[in-house]
Amino acid sequence: QVQLVESGGGVVQPGRSLRLSCAASGFTFSNTIMHWVRQAPDKGLEWVAVISHDSSSKFYGDSVKGRFTISRDNSKNTVYLHLNSLRLDDTAVFFCARAPTGRGLDSWGQGTLVTVSS
Amino acid sequence: DIQMTQSPSSLSASVGDRVTITCRASQAFSNYLAWYQQKPGKVPKLLIYGTSTLQSGVPSRFSGSGSGTDFTLTISSLQPEDVAIYYCQKYNSAPFTFGPGTKVDIK
Repeated sequence: QVQLVESGGGVVQPGRSLRLSCAASGFTFSNTIMHWVRQAPDKGLEWVAVISHDSSSKFYGDSVKGRFTISRDNSKNTVYLHLNSLRLDDTAVFFCARAPTGRGLDSWGQGTLVTVSS
Repeated sequence: DIQMTQSPSSLSASVGDRVTITCRASQAFSNYLAWYQQKPGKVPKLLIYGTSTLQSGVPSRFSGSGSGTDFTLTISSLQPEDVAIYYCQKYNSAPFTFGPGTKVDIK
C-alpha cells in the first residue's frame, strides 16, 4: 500500500537550515506529483510547495518563496524540502503528500515537526 | 492569487443532522476542488476530489457539489466519528490554497 514517511525535523535556531525527506513506497513515485504541506501548532493547513514528476516544474507558497526549495530523487523514491533562513513562524508539522493527476492529495505522511527556537 | 474562505468557521450539530459547509473562492476556477477531514491529532484525509467525487472508502453520507466560486460539503447524517476539522483546497494550479477550515462538533 501507499506509504509516505517524513524525516529530518527537529529543533533549529532562527536563520539556520534544515532538510526534510519523504520516502515513498507502494506506488510509481516517478510518475507522481508530490507536495509539501505544513501545519503550525493549533493552526490550519498551509500549502508549501509542489514538484512535478520529472522535477521540471516547481511552485511555492508566498510565505516560503526564496527560502525553501523542493527537490526529488526518483532513483531513491524520495522528495525533499530544503528549509533555509528559518524563522520562528516556520515552526510546524510538515507533511508530504502525493497528488495523482486530478485527484487532490490522496495520501499523506505522518508528518515531521520542525521547531524554530532560539 | 485565488483566496479561499469557508463558512461557518465552526458548527455544533446533533447526531443525525444534515450538515453543510461552504467554501468560497475569490475568483472562479475549474472543478479541481477537494475536501479533507482532519480528526484531532491525526493526518488529513482526502474525502472528495473534483468537487463531487467521493474518495474510495469514504462513507456515502459525505457529498460535494458546486462550481465557479461556490462549493459545498454536505454530511447527510452527522455521526459521532465525523467530529473533525474540514478543509477545502483548490488544486487546479499553484498556489494550491487551503481554506481556513470548519470545525464540526456534536451538540
